[in-house]
Amino acid sequence: QVQLQESGPGLVKPSETLSLTCTVSGGPVSSGGYYWSWIRQPPGKGLEWIGYISYSGNTNYNPTLRSRVTISIHTSKNQFSLKLSSVTAADTAVYYCARAPLAYCGGDCYDSWGQGTLVTVSS
Amino acid sequence: QSVLTQPPSVSGAPGQRVTISCTGSSSNIGAGYDVHWYQQLPGTAPKLLIYGNNNRPSGVPDRFSGSKSGTSASLAITGLQADDEADYYCQSYDSSLSGYVFGTGTKVTVL
Repeated sequence: QVQLQESGPGLVKPSETLSLTCTVSGGPVSSGGYYWSWIRQPPGKGLEWIGYISYSGNTNYNPTLRSRVTISIHTSKNQFSLKLSSVTAADTAVYYCARAPLAYCGGDCYDSWGQGTLVTVSS
Repeated sequence: QSVLTQPPSVSGAPGQRVTISCTGSSSNIGAGYDVHWYQQLPGTAPKLLIYGNNNRPSGVPDRFSGSKSGTSASLAITGLQADDEADYYCQSYDSSLSGYVFGTGTKVTVL
C-alpha cells in the first residue's frame, strides 16, 4: 500500500519561493506506471491541479502557474518536490501530493493522496 | 478556473438516492475526456470514488455509480448513509486550458 507524505514550511513570505517535498513509501517513484502530481485547495474552496512529473522527469504544468512552478523528482530519496516562486496571498492553500496511475486512467486520475499540508503566505 | 459546474449542495434522507451533476463543455467532457469523481470527508484528503466515467476502485461500495452523456456527467449515491456526508468533486481534462480541471464541488448532507 503506497503512502505519500508532504513536508515543508507552513509559512512563506510574499514574493518568496514555496518549497514542498513529497516522500513516497510502499513503492518506488522510479516506477514507470505513474505520474507524480501536486494539487492544491485554498481554504474553503475547490481543488486546483498544479502539475505532474513522470519517473523520467517529463513534466506538465497548469498553464496559469507554469511560469512560477517547478516539479522535480529525486529517485534516490524516493521523493518528488514542488517549488512555486513569487508567491502571494492567493497561493495560500492546502497542498496535496498525489499519484496518478497510467494503467487504468492514463495518468488522468489520482488514486493515492498525501494528507495535505497547509501553506500560508503572509509577512 | 472551475470549468466544470456542480450544484453547491444536495441532500437526502438516509436510504434515499441522490445524484450530483457535473456540467462541462465541448472542450472537456464533450470532447470525450474521462470524468473521475472524488469524495472528500471533512478535514481529509480527497479519495478516488469513480474513475473512467463509471468504474469503481477496489473497496468502493456499489452504492456509488457514475455516468456520462454529452457534455455532462453524474454521480449517483443510493442507500444514502450518514457517513456519505462529504464534499464531492468531478474531474476531467480540458483541451482549451491544456490541463486537468476539477468541478466546483458539491456538499452532500444526510438529513
